[in-house]
Amino acid sequence: NAGVTQTPKFRVLKTGQSMTLLCAQDMNHEYMYWYRQDPGMGLRLIHYSVGEGTTAKGEVPDGYNVSRLKKQNFLLGLESAAPSQTSVYFCASRPLAGTSREQYFGPGTRLTVT
Amino acid sequence: AQSVTQLDSQVPVFEEAPVELRCNYSSSVSVYLFWYVQYPNQGLQLLLKYLSGSTLVKGINGFEAEFNKSQTSFHLRKPSVHISDTAEYFCAVSDSLRGAQKLVFGQGTRLTINP
Repeated sequence: NAGVTQTPKFRVLKTGQSMTLLCAQDMNHEYMYWYRQDPGMGLRLIHYSVGEGTTAKGEVPDGYNVSRLKKQNFLLGLESAAPSQTSVYFCASRPLAGTSREQYFGPGTRLTVT
Repeated sequence: AQSVTQLDSQVPVFEEAPVELRCNYSSSVSVYLFWYVQYPNQGLQLLLKYLSGSTLVKGINGFEAEFNKSQTSFHLRKPSVHISDTAEYFCAVSDSLRGAQKLVFGQGTRLTINP
């Protein structure tokens, strides 16, 4: 199993450009999450999904959109990038059933907006 | 809603010394508590978790944590650290209700081990 993978690993955007970050998991997990990590602020939840075709807002959703067309993929979109969106983005997934309650994290995408 | 405070942003210790990383949380409902570790340029890896039962929880790499409901704390401890423990450590909380159980993270504590 590859676990949770994220594409790309690094990206530099100019202000106003758009891009999509891809998260893929091969563990058949129901729940998927997008976080951003900024120095001194820990990780903050952007959007999440409780299943295929469903999405919901997290703590810091402004400027981002998401889609979950397939159970294994969760896409994070930036329609018009801003320097404030410079961050490291992490995707995570978790199974619906079971007692673990653990979220499994991907390796991250480092995004710089100039 | 939940919140988490990690009381130290940086903790320097000498190799083989004990360490405690402090975490306090607030919540109006029952919670699950987690400690994650992030090694340089990597994703997050679960160290340990408290879901229910014994308040002393043992995790990987010799770490343990104690859930104290009256003090709303979940401090992480290791009796003897190694150079390889150098990393950033995150405390996180989620509610224990059905549903997405979204994680709320603390600000992180950077643990630096000096030889």
